[in-house]
Amino acid sequence: DAKTTQPTSMDCAEGRAANLPCNHSTISGNEYVYWYRQIHSQGPQYIIHGLKNNETNEMASLIITEDRKSSTLILPHATLRDTAVYYCIPWPAARQLTFGSGTQLTVLP
Amino acid sequence: GAGVSQTPSNKVTEKGKYVELRCDPISGHTALYWYRQSLGQGPEFLIYFQGTGAADDSGLPNDRFFAVRPEGSVSTLKIQRTERGDSAVYLCASSTNYGTEAFFGQGTRLTVV
Repeated sequence: DAKTTQPTSMDCAEGRAANLPCNHSTISGNEYVYWYRQIHSQGPQYIIHGLKNNETNEMASLIITEDRKSSTLILPHATLRDTAVYYCIPWPAARQLTFGSGTQLTVLP
Repeated sequence: GAGVSQTPSNKVTEKGKYVELRCDPISGHTALYWYRQSLGQGPEFLIYFQGTGAADDSGLPNDRFFAVRPEGSVSTLKIQRTERGDSAVYLCASSTNYGTEAFFGQGTRLTVV
């Protein structure tokens, strides 16, 4: 299974862009990079996913390096409601959607 | 409803009792997943259904845990002879097919006393 490395925690000022990195150097060719987040006491929420091209939706942008060994999730204008744990997950693969420890993003007023 | 619904939202049970947790997936979603989340940890995979069949139950911790999805829609996670270590939030998710984005419910918080 592809292993991921994410910072344990990050802070971001409200209104600024939040850039969350993820290393997934062992990702296989057929695995997408999925990003989920979990706000305290809620179920995980799907954000975005991509294979090798950069992707953008109403929530975020996803930048994937050309070698696919890392990616960055960008929240362009972070708000206090974006405070959550963010998970980067290569999927699908032999195993199921596997959550690691994620990054605790705290948006500061 | 539009999202994944889980009932009950909270369940307190005594050690040794049997419990059932219910999941109503998004209509039309063929894939359904159960996860368990302990305090301070990420969700841990338990079992995955494609239609009515359990396609992968490798995450079930032992034979006290069982899940069914008889008509390919609603699923029930069943825990026999509950133990205090089973206390956790049990999450259900569904997706149109395996490998597409999964949408999670709010979870059932199970407390075994």
